[in-house]
Amino acid sequence: AQSVTQLDSQVPVFEEAPVELRCNYSSSVSVYLFWYVQYPNQGLQLLLKYLSGSTLVKGINGFEAEFNKSQTSFHLRKPSVHISDTAEYFCAAVRTGGGNKLTFGTGTQLKVEL
Amino acid sequence: ETGVTQTPRHLVMGMTNKKSLKCEQHLGHNAMYWYKQSAKKPLELMFVYNFKEQTENNSVPSRFSPECPNSSHLFLHLHTLQPEDSALYLCASSQPGQGAGYTFGSGTRLTVV
Repeated sequence: AQSVTQLDSQVPVFEEAPVELRCNYSSSVSVYLFWYVQYPNQGLQLLLKYLSGSTLVKGINGFEAEFNKSQTSFHLRKPSVHISDTAEYFCAAVRTGGGNKLTFGTGTQLKVEL
Repeated sequence: ETGVTQTPRHLVMGMTNKKSLKCEQHLGHNAMYWYKQSAKKPLELMFVYNFKEQTENNSVPSRFSPECPNSSHLFLHLHTLQPEDSALYLCASSQPGQGAGYTFGSGTRLTVV
């Protein structure tokens, strides 16, 4: 079974600064990887996903993530954050060819300050 | 609007009440899910339905009873809940293949008093 680890429970950052939210996965087989964002009192919204091909994936709202197979990581980055990016971010994985059940990380709260 | 609609958005119920949460999607998805999201805890998968058939029950107490009458609708029937059941309940849907990811509803904020 796969597992997803988000080491940082909270990440404070000033507006217009760059940010990286870390995600590591553990799986003995190939996985698809996802990042979701959750704004207060809302459901989760898909930011981006990696299925295959280019390891650099671009998503909505200026976010991107890089798949690194050797380090089993899928870190999320944004070069310049905005106050409106304040939210909780979840990394998730599903085993390729093994059903449709996503495994989520515990989430990282991004707090953007002025 | 995400394509997955959950009602009600907020619900307060007593421990002896019976209520139901509703989830509806018209995205053509054939898989639907219930998740529980409590403060300071990871997302908990509760139930999975594929093509209207329940394929996973993640050791959920029997006071939670899911129902999936068709691929577009999913219900969660609640009875004799406990205060610790207070949480945000999220519904999601997807195509059965793994690559699409899930589409989530906005959730029902449940408070048990």
